[in-house]
Amino acid sequence: KQEVTQIPAALSVPEGENLVLNCSFTDSAIYNLQWFRQDPGKGLTSLLLIQSSQREQTSGRLNASLDKSSGRSTLYIAASQPGDSATYLCAVSFRETSYDKVIFGPGTSLSVIP
Amino acid sequence: NAGVMQNPRHLVRRRGQEARLRCSPMKGHSHVYWYRQLPEEGLKFMVYLQKENIIDESGMPKERFSAEFPKEGPSILRIQQVVRGDSAAYFCASSPRTRSGANVLTFGAGSRLTVL
Repeated sequence: KQEVTQIPAALSVPEGENLVLNCSFTDSAIYNLQWFRQDPGKGLTSLLLIQSSQREQTSGRLNASLDKSSGRSTLYIAASQPGDSATYLCAVSFRETSYDKVIFGPGTSLSVIP
Repeated sequence: NAGVMQNPRHLVRRRGQEARLRCSPMKGHSHVYWYRQLPEEGLKFMVYLQKENIIDESGMPKERFSAEFPKEGPSILRIQQVVRGDSAAYFCASSPRTRSGANVLTFGAGSRLTVL
């Protein structure tokens, strides 16, 4: 069964700290992995997309890495700010017989304290 | 390009009523996915549709839930005889599937269903 897990479930850090969010998946046969941000009661904002052939992607203070063989991805946030407070979701596109199935992790709730 | 459009954004129903949620994919996208997010939980896959075809409905509850994506018009997620446990945010996503593996989903803002 294809599953996606995220650790930690919740994280609280002081402003300015660098932090790492973790995502694990059970099947290495993936097409891509995407990190999303979700603010309370809102929709999803795509942050970074990593194709299976890539090792990492960067956007501003965000860096996402992918290790397909070990089934892991990390989202690194540098110099965290209160505006980074949100839930971060990892979504993995698994290879299926006839189509690509995207499964989400449960999310990490981040709180950055001013 | 208006992106993935979902409506209504908020829907309130009493137990036993029907809820219909609509999703218009991005222009040029012919693949639609529905996900459900229960309070304090992650997104759970419900169903994947192409035009006039249900490809995978393994995440749909066996009763009361149905989905369609007609040749013309938006995709519809229909919930009959709603119960309080159906209260959730329902997200729709679409993709172009220009080639196998290029399945990058674009999400709508979601429809939040509250069952009284």
